[in-house]
Amino acid sequence: DAEITQSPRHKITETGRQVTLACHQTWNHNNMFWYRQDLGHGLRLIHYSYGVQDTNKGEVSDGYSVSRSNTEDLPLTLESAASSQTSVYFCASSARGARTEAFFGQGTRLTVV
Amino acid sequence: SQQGEEDPQALSIQEGENATMNCSYKTSINNLQWYRQNSGRGLVHLILIRSNEREKHSGRLRVTLDTSKKSSSLLITASRAADTASYFCVVGTSYDKVIFGPGTSLSVIP
Repeated sequence: DAEITQSPRHKITETGRQVTLACHQTWNHNNMFWYRQDLGHGLRLIHYSYGVQDTNKGEVSDGYSVSRSNTEDLPLTLESAASSQTSVYFCASSARGARTEAFFGQGTRLTVV
Repeated sequence: SQQGEEDPQALSIQEGENATMNCSYKTSINNLQWYRQNSGRGLVHLILIRSNEREKHSGRLRVTLDTSKKSSSLLITASRAADTASYFCVVGTSYDKVIFGPGTSLSVIP
């Protein structure tokens, strides 16, 4: 069965370190999204991609970057981790953005100490 | 704005009762979707309703869409404790971003 997986599920890192969160989907979807979820803020869009070599900034992109070298993967990199980036991160994919069903990973809980 | 806004923010009901939550939006849409998120888990797609549809059913879920009022409602009938979750609507437009509102937090009390 097709799926979308995130790794790691939990991560503790120190302030200032570079961290990369992985997202891998086997749906063959063009569209992929990264969100962060914090209490009181719902899911906020960090970055998204419409296809290979395409990346776009979302509403909370500062301090984050993504790259899309193939259809299956959209890794999220925190260039220099800050305590404000402690959050739960979700990756999602869909065939046609909000016009079709999106599938979500189980999330990565990141703690920056 | 491309996002929907759910209402109420929080809802608490007894098991067996019906739960209704609403979504309002501001743009023209192609479709509207509802998602559920159980605590600490990823989101799960519940139902998609297209702009030319007025009502759609899936098991105990009933979704209505009123494009003239730019609103949708999600009804969960005969609620169960397992329905305790946050519910989000996502509006589908000509843009492909998937953007979420704050959600409705539903608590079903056994």
